[in-house]
Amino acid sequence: DVKVTQSSRYLVKRTGEKVFLECVQDMDHENMFWYRQDPGLGLRLIYFSYDVKMKEKGDIPEGYSVSREKKERFSLILESASTNQTSMYLCASRSGTGAPPLHFGNGTRLTVT
Amino acid sequence: DQQVKQNSPSLSVQEGRISILNCDYTNSMFDYFLWYKKYPAEGPTFLISISSIKDKNEDGRFTVFLNKSAKHLSLHIVPSQPGDSAVYFCAATNYGGSQGNLIFGKGTKLSVKP
Repeated sequence: DVKVTQSSRYLVKRTGEKVFLECVQDMDHENMFWYRQDPGLGLRLIYFSYDVKMKEKGDIPEGYSVSREKKERFSLILESASTNQTSMYLCASRSGTGAPPLHFGNGTRLTVT
Repeated sequence: DQQVKQNSPSLSVQEGRISILNCDYTNSMFDYFLWYKKYPAEGPTFLISISSIKDKNEDGRFTVFLNKSAKHLSLHIVPSQPGDSAVYFCAATNYGGSQGNLIFGKGTKLSVKP
């Protein structure tokens, strides 16, 4: 069974802080993704990576960056947290071949005050 | 511009009856469609998928129908159970395109009443 683990379930940070959200998958998946989920807006793609040290912008990359130094780990970085980044953040991974579904972690609920 | 639309934010159904969740898409390049289920405080879990070469896929109580000419798909749950109460997301992708990124709808909250 695929396991995608997000390091924190809940985080509270102050405006202007640098925030790191960590995600680890145990299935040797090539592709990893960061989404945010907001009420009435569904899931929106922030960044994705299809290989180590590779990254691509999603639909809403502004205010975020990512790091993928190892295949199993994909980090989302909020350079200077703002209140409009209060959200549920979801990491996902999948194999790079065929048409497999995404496997999601349980999410990190981030509150920026 | 929303490429995947779920026009019903919520749906309430009696236990044992059929639940029908609808999804429309605008991009004719989409060739693979998926449904995810999400409980509060958990990540979405994959439910069922369908390729654009099919018009129906069934897995137990869950059936997905695809009408390519109408750019419409639906998820049928029969019979509905209280444990099915969750938010359901429709997603679409073009696997021949940009690494197969999924485009999600905004979700439909299903409530199944005992």
